[in-house]
Amino acid sequence: DTGVSQDPRHKITKRGQNVTFRCDPISEHNRLYWYRQTLGQGPEFLTYFQNEAQLEKSRLLSDRFSAERPKGSFSTLEIQRTEQGDSAMYLCASIGQGAGDGYTFGSGTRLTVV
Amino acid sequence: AQKVTQAQTEISVVEKEDVTLDCVYETRDTTYYLFWYKQPPSGELVFLIRRNSFDEQNEISGRYSWNFQKSTSSFNFTITASQVVDSAVYFCALSEAFNNNDMRFGAGTRLTVKP
Repeated sequence: DTGVSQDPRHKITKRGQNVTFRCDPISEHNRLYWYRQTLGQGPEFLTYFQNEAQLEKSRLLSDRFSAERPKGSFSTLEIQRTEQGDSAMYLCASIGQGAGDGYTFGSGTRLTVV
Repeated sequence: AQKVTQAQTEISVVEKEDVTLDCVYETRDTTYYLFWYKQPPSGELVFLIRRNSFDEQNEISGRYSWNFQKSTSSFNFTITASQVVDSAVYFCALSEAFNNNDMRFGAGTRLTVKP
């Protein structure tokens, strides 16, 4: 078990470009979450999957954002037409069914939009 | 609505000092979960503890201890005999039971332990 993996660790992109991030959760975890963290703030919930179903989306997730989790395994988060305000750390977390512990977070993808 | 307040933005201590990180929460639910996470400079959030609202028993794990008081809606975290490796940002978080999709984090407290 290598924990939650996120790729890439860092991404610098020009405003208006599209970017895609990947998250590989712990293999037996059926729930997967995306959070966004800006400097000096705590993580903010973006969206949540149970297996392959996207069950909840935050109002923070504008229509430029889309997330998928095909086959209930890895997940991708895509941001279209990036804006400077999208610059943040994007964190992925997973948790197993009935787990009484906290979420296991990945190391995050730091996005910088220039 | 749920809300977590960590009033201490930054704390600096000298190694071996004890330090307490404060967390105050708001929720209208009677059933909820409280968490503490550590975020070292590497960026990965490390789970430290989860406590449900029906369990007010304080917990000790090595140098770490947590004091949960429903009467004051607080869930404070104490590090005894702090070490340089404890330097990190610490987050308190709250989720409402049966809706733990929306775990609400505080703004975090940056702890610096100086040698």
